[in-house]
Parts: sequence; C-alpha cells; structure tokens
Amino acid sequence: AQKVTQAQTEISVVEKEDVTLDCVYETRDTTYYLFWYKQPPSGELVFLIRRNSFDEQNEISGRYSWNFQKSTSSFNFTITASQVVDSAVYFCALRRVTGANNLFFGTGTRLTVIP
Amino acid sequence: DVKVTQSSRYLVKRTGEKVFLECVQDMDHENMFWYRQDPGLGLRLIYFSYDVKMKEKGDIPEGYSVSREKKERFSLILESASTNQTSMYLCASTDRYNSPLHFGNGTRLTVT
Repeated sequence: AQKVTQAQTEISVVEKEDVTLDCVYETRDTTYYLFWYKQPPSGELVFLIRRNSFDEQNEISGRYSWNFQKSTSSFNFTITASQVVDSAVYFCALRRVTGANNLFFGTGTRLTVIP
Repeated sequence: DVKVTQSSRYLVKRTGEKVFLECVQDMDHENMFWYRQDPGLGLRLIYFSYDVKMKEKGDIPEGYSVSREKKERFSLILESASTNQTSMYLCASTDRYNSPLHFGNGTRLTVT
C-alpha cells in the first residue's frame, strides 16, 4: 500500500530562519513520482517540484531546496531565510505509474512565518 | 498556463438540497479529479475521470456523484447535501501520470 506521512502538522518560525518540512513515503513500486505543492491562504494548490524515483539528485530553486533519499524513503523540503510569503500549507504527494487511483497526498504541514 | 476554474468560491446550501459544483479546465487534459479538504485529513479523493463519460470512485464517494459530458468540464453533485459535507472542494486536472496536477482555487461549501 502507498502512504505519505507528513508528521509535522504545524510549524512556526521567525522570518529569516531556515525551516525543513519532512515527508516520508511508503511504496513497493520501483518507479514513482514525488511532488510538493504549496497552498497559500488563497486556496489554490501550486505545484513546486516533481522528482522521479530514479533521480536522487537534490534540487535547489532560489530559497527552496529538496532532499530526496531513497534509502530512508524521504523527500524533505527546506526553505532558507524564510519570508512571510512562505506562510502556507505544504503538501507532499506520491504518484504511481500504474493503477487508476494512483496519487497519494500527505496530510500537509501548515507553516507560519512570523515577521 | 493551465487554468482550472471552479465556478464558485463560496457556497451556502441547506440540508437536503441538490448541489452542483462545476469545474472547467482549458488544457485538453484527459484526467480530472475532485478532492475534499478537511483540517487534519489532508486531501481526500472523491471521484476522478480519465475520459469523457468515464468516472471512477475515489476514497470517499458516498453521497456524491459526478458528470463528465465534455472533456473540459467535470461536475461534482451532492445529491442531498448534509452538514457533514461542509468542506473545501478542490478540482484538479492533468494529462499524464508523471505530470503535476493543476488545481482550481477551491469551493468552500457550507451546508446548514
């Protein structure tokens, strides 16, 4: 069975602090995709990154970075020098390449950046 | 850019009413989804569709039905609204399994 766990329900940091959002997943598939989405107060989920299971290279995009470790089934997301605009709910998701109902979301982490 | 449009941002309905939530996407995506979002429960899949007139139940289909008569439009129907269906409803679309979902802004439904 597939499962995505985001153990941190809520995190608060002071502006300019670094913060890491954890994501742990379970699957027996060898091929799958991992995603991070951001949901700001406006409500729309915004796609941030996609990573396939064969690509363990870490990625950096501005203040955002992602650490994918297959050995620990984790796909963690770090925001460096956080800003108030980073305040949102962040979702991690796993998508299989087979099956009809093949997308599995974590329960989300609410990040609050305090000015 | 893909645009997924949900017809209403906020809706207030009475118990027992039939409710229609509409979703339209403009990128010719085959796959469309309806999710429900509740605090602490994340996103739960209600129904999805991988082609016109095709639909599949998700994790929590009870009390809901869907309609997809045209490729760009996917409607969620609450046959007889109940207070436990008060929630945020999110529509999404995608073309391939390795592509991200594109979400609408959501409809916050309150059933009184």
